[in-house]
Amino acid sequence: DADVTQTPRNRITKTGKRIMLECSQTKGHDRMYWYRQDPGLGLRLIYYSFDVKDINKGEISDGYSVSRQAQAKFSLSLESAIPNQTALYFCATSDGRAPGVFGQGTRLTVV
Amino acid sequence: DAKTTQPPSMDCAEGRAANLPCNHSTISGNEYVYWYRQIHSQGPQYIIHGLKNNETNEMASLIITEDRKSSTLILPHATLRDTAVYYCIAIPMTTDSWGKFQFGAGTQVVVTP
Repeated sequence: DADVTQTPRNRITKTGKRIMLECSQTKGHDRMYWYRQDPGLGLRLIYYSFDVKDINKGEISDGYSVSRQAQAKFSLSLESAIPNQTALYFCATSDGRAPGVFGQGTRLTVV
Repeated sequence: DAKTTQPPSMDCAEGRAANLPCNHSTISGNEYVYWYRQIHSQGPQYIIHGLKNNETNEMASLIITEDRKSSTLILPHATLRDTAVYYCIAIPMTTDSWGKFQFGAGTQVVVTP
């Protein structure tokens, strides 16, 4: 099994719908991150969490929210999806010392 | 964090060494140079990182110039599976800094038979 698992891997949703992307990890890392990637562009940080009770905004948090339900789980929600949120979404984890680990991504399409 | 500049694309013949340049002329003394790659929209994969000494691991070698303003990632014997987008980023060496970065567009490397 993968160290960092994202579900779903692919999702098509309609404008205005609420959608949740989930991330779980077996690395035992305390830090978790959500990024989005648009075609031809690099990753941009949406939210990150250093512990269960710690939530921090990244570069592009508007339109998104997160929940850190447990050390191993970090969910990203789009309260009311819009087409320009169509992108690849990646979760990552880190222990703050070694380079972190990325999940395999969720491809989200908002129509 | 220091801005990095990479060529948008490069080709490499299978079996040859691939040398990927990165310019980071504004890097500060406490920033590491990290390299990641992304194969066809999969999650980014860590390759190597270094501060000022050259580094080598089972995947690649990293050569950092003495003034630290540029570096080169070397894939010693490129294979078709090395076709990917390669990202060079500068990350401060504090424990809170990994993850709070943004990748640029990177270099698209195509390895040809």
